[in-house]
Amino acid sequence: SQQGEEDPQALSIQEGENATMNCSYKTSINNLQWYRQNSGRGLVHLILIRSNEREKHSGRLRVTLDTSKKSSSLLITASRAADTASYFCATGGYSSASKIIFGSGTRLSIRP
Amino acid sequence: DVKVTQSSRYLVKRTGEKVFLECVQDMDHENMFWYRQDPGLGLRLIYFSYDVKMKEKGDIPEGYSVSREKKERFSLILESASTNQTSMYLCASSPPGTGVFEQYFGPGTRLTVT
Repeated sequence: SQQGEEDPQALSIQEGENATMNCSYKTSINNLQWYRQNSGRGLVHLILIRSNEREKHSGRLRVTLDTSKKSSSLLITASRAADTASYFCATGGYSSASKIIFGSGTRLSIRP
Repeated sequence: DVKVTQSSRYLVKRTGEKVFLECVQDMDHENMFWYRQDPGLGLRLIYFSYDVKMKEKGDIPEGYSVSREKKERFSLILESASTNQTSMYLCASSPPGTGVFEQYFGPGTRLTVT
């Protein structure tokens, strides 16, 4: 069974608007990661937030983590056409050899 | 720059054929992973390896095997391809321990079994 579940499954916004995607998970985690996948390509790591962190920023990305609610959100500010992609959250274990469990993703479309 | 390459972007095979998917990373990473990705199901882990000649089953290992003879290369083998193995296959690698857990992905191989 999947650990992370993204919401919504699909999101379409106007260029320049902010996009928010949510992820919920079931069990305790060491870290949570967000990845981007452009159509038909491999995944690219965006950001990792550890279980003892509440918020993290990277450029136009802002990730929050609420371990009490077992949820995370990814905010992309001032969206661009190049942000059109699928976004996945992934929950990580306690070593790099642990399995990372991916959700089924949010498909983001940016309208010009 | 980190680089993971996969032997083919697109592959078409017939039912019953033996299929080899190869993955090579140039980052000296200990850990390597094979996933399959299907619409609505996200990524599912098939096998992973944390060292040369070591392998661990993931969530869906049935119908697959793997080989890791060299650190940089991790091969996925479909012993007898079936139509339900039509999918996108993604390889990834990650360095060991010390709090670095992100995975680096190859571009994927879209396999069609007819």
